[in-house]
Order: sequence, then C-alpha cells, then structure tokens
Amino acid sequence: EDKVVQSPLSLVVHEGDTVTLNCSYEVTNFRSLLWYKQEKKAPTFLFMLTSSGIEKKSGRLSSILDKKELFSILNITATQTGDSAVYLCAVYAGGTSYGKLTFGQGTILTVHP
Amino acid sequence: DAGVIQSPRHEVTEMGQEVTLRCKPISGHNSLFWYRQTMMRGLELLIYFNNNVPIDDSGMPEDRFSAKMPNASFSTLKIQPSEPRDSAVYFCASSPGSWNSPLHFGNGTRLTVT
Repeated sequence: EDKVVQSPLSLVVHEGDTVTLNCSYEVTNFRSLLWYKQEKKAPTFLFMLTSSGIEKKSGRLSSILDKKELFSILNITATQTGDSAVYLCAVYAGGTSYGKLTFGQGTILTVHP
Repeated sequence: DAGVIQSPRHEVTEMGQEVTLRCKPISGHNSLFWYRQTMMRGLELLIYFNNNVPIDDSGMPEDRFSAKMPNASFSTLKIQPSEPRDSAVYFCASSPGSWNSPLHFGNGTRLTVT
C-alpha cells in the first residue's frame, strides 16, 4: 500500500522564523510529488517535483525532492501570519498513465505575530 | 474558468437518510476524484474516474457508498443509509488526467449526520 508520511504534525512559530516541513514516501512506481496549502477551504496547489535535486521556488517558499532517500522538504522563510495553514504532501504513483494521488496527513503550521 | 463546483456546500441530515453530493469538474479534465477529509484520518481517496470510467474504488468505505459519473461534466457521490461516522468534508477534484498534472479541488461539502 502506498504511504506518505509528514512531519512534524504541527508546528508553532513566530513571524520571521524559517520553517522546514518534511515528507517521506513509500510508493510503487513513483511519478511525482506535490505540495498543497490548505487554509479554510480546498487545498491549493504549490509545487510539483519530479526530479531529484532541482529546487522549485515561489517567493518565500521552496521545495526539493530526494528520490534516492524518498523524501521532500518544503521551506518557508521569513514566515508571515498568512502562512498559517495545513500543508499537504501528496504522491502520484502507479503503473498507469493517469494519476492516483495519495496524501500525507498534513502539517498544521501556526505563525504568531 | 469556474473551477471545480460542488454542491451543496453544507448538508445536515439524520442518520438513515440518503445523501447525494454533486460535482462538476473543470471542463476538459479527464480525471475526477472524490476525497473525504476528517481530523482523524486526513484526506482519504474514495474513488477516482478516468474518462467517466471508475478506475479505483478501493477507498470506498462500504456498500453504503456509491459514485457515478454519467458524463464528462457531472459526478455524484451517494451515501445510503447515512451514519454519524460519515460526517466529514467531502472534496471533489479534477485533473487533465496524467501523473504530471496537479489536482484542482472544489470547495467541498461539509456533511453532518446526526
């Protein structure tokens, strides 16, 4: 069974801090890893990673994948209260060409002023 | 682009009643997914369709749950009879249908079964 595990489960920081969120996976036929941010409603897409060692960056957020060690990290620098959310990691895996996305349990990030 | 549209936004029903959740995927997307989210279990994949055909329904909890996709622009998830443990947020998501495309989520239906 495909498995995606995130750590920590929750994190409380102050504005300006830098945080690192972790995601490890055990899947058959890995295809890609995705990060989502979920505030009050639906998860919104952040990054998709398919190759090891290539950093994806968007503003203060960045992410990298290690396919040898089967994990990814999401970094947020200079955190703001608006970064408070649940961050979800998900993996596409399987032998078919169409994707089944398996999610981790999420990391709840709380940023205090 | 209107995004993935789900209805209703909230549903409160009594145990034993039938519940039908509806989803309209993004036009042109070939894959549609139903997820359930709870505090205890996180986001769980219930079933997904590709080109209107169910591909994997191994996540459907039991026979009380059923899903259909009669055409490319509409899907339903039905629970009959509903139970209090079915209370959760149910998300529908769609994608162009390959492993290099992110899922786009609807805003979810919050179901409460009393």
